[in-house]
Amino acid sequence: AQKITQTQPGMFVQEKEAVTLDCTYDTSDPSYGLFWYKQPSSGEMIFLIYQGSYDQQNATEGRYSLNFQKARKSANLVISASQLGDSAMYFCAMREMNTGFQKLVFGTGTRLLVSP
Amino acid sequence: NAGVTQTPKFQVLKTGQSMTLQCAQDMNHEYMSWYRQDPGMGLRLIHYSVGAGITDQGEVPNGYNVSRSTTEDFPLRLLSAAPSQTSVYFCASGGGNSPLHFGNGTRLTVT
Repeated sequence: AQKITQTQPGMFVQEKEAVTLDCTYDTSDPSYGLFWYKQPSSGEMIFLIYQGSYDQQNATEGRYSLNFQKARKSANLVISASQLGDSAMYFCAMREMNTGFQKLVFGTGTRLLVSP
Repeated sequence: NAGVTQTPKFQVLKTGQSMTLQCAQDMNHEYMSWYRQDPGMGLRLIHYSVGAGITDQGEVPNGYNVSRSTTEDFPLRLLSAAPSQTSVYFCASGGGNSPLHFGNGTRLTVT
């Protein structure tokens, strides 16, 4: 069964510094996708970045990059040059393409606080 | 460009009452799903659908019903509300290697 683990309930970072949010996953499906979402205090879910299991390169989207280590089954989100507006909950999620019937399963999230 | 529209935004129910949370999408997505979000537990999948007429249970289906008569709509019914169903509910659509598009959520309180 697919499973996502986020072991950091909360993280603190100073403005302009980089921060890494951890995510490990478990699946027996060789084809899967990994997603990161941001949820600010206003409550909406904002898609940040996607990594496919067959992608050779780590995904990047502006200040967000995904450190994908397939053998270790980890998909950590790296935010470079943190901004105050990055303070939010961050969720890692996985979709199994062959066996998961398109279900997207989420981790429990990490709350990031960026201080001036 | 509406995306995923959820109604209502807020709802208070008494124990035992029933209600339907509405969800509509205008992106012609086959896949739609309902999640509940509780503190410390992330988003948990309640029910999902891979197309009109096809639904299946997720991780926490008890107490909820769904149907999918059209591609656009995927309502979630609470049959007999319980305080344990106090939560924030999200509807989402999309599949494959595309990200899910989420509605803005419904905050439900059951007293």
